[in-house]
Amino acid sequence: DADVTQTPRNRITKTGKRIMLECSQTKGHDRMYWYRQDPGLGLRLIYYSFDVKDINKGEISDGYSVSRQAQAKFSLSLESAIPNQTALYFCATSDTKGAKYEQYFGPGTRLTVT
Amino acid sequence: SQQGEEDPQALSIQEGENATMNCSYKTSINNLQWYRQNSGRGLVHLILIRSNEREKHSGRLRVTLDTSKKSSSLLITASRAADTASYFCALSNDYKLSFGAGTTVTVRA
Repeated sequence: DADVTQTPRNRITKTGKRIMLECSQTKGHDRMYWYRQDPGLGLRLIYYSFDVKDINKGEISDGYSVSRQAQAKFSLSLESAIPNQTALYFCATSDTKGAKYEQYFGPGTRLTVT
Repeated sequence: SQQGEEDPQALSIQEGENATMNCSYKTSINNLQWYRQNSGRGLVHLILIRSNEREKHSGRLRVTLDTSKKSSSLLITASRAADTASYFCALSNDYKLSFGAGTTVTVRA
């Protein structure tokens, strides 16, 4: 969905490096999420933010941090990358106006940690 | 955290046939959603069914929900090659989603 963009789309990095994945949205949604997907598995929630001043840990937040710089921007950082963080990372948004629950996903960032 | 479990893990059908996949879960939910993912791309929302609903339709999609059995099914009728994808059920409470591992559907021409 072009309304949710992620950069970079692909990244190869070395163990121990700090890396940031960025997400921007033009949908005007208040809620943003970061997920990771491993082969053959569903998505697991890393962090979520219900507004700029609200950041919450998901089920697998260890080794990750986030920053909500504006309503439209939500960044995910790997403080010191390790090989088992190799995965496909997705950003998503949702809109609480009108009690809408569906989420809109970005195209994903494929991260490889060597 | 709660997760849905999809069944089967993989499904191969002929174009024009129907595809049915199921999702079972263990806890109470606010709503249940189905998403489609084409080969490593972002997920696309297909349909949402609320806990007080039993059946919903959207185009060639039909979703049922049985809260007493804690299960849902997704039916795709008259399948097309473009339906080849992975399908995920997602359990929803308080605007957070918990995804199952998905069903991979292959539609053969």
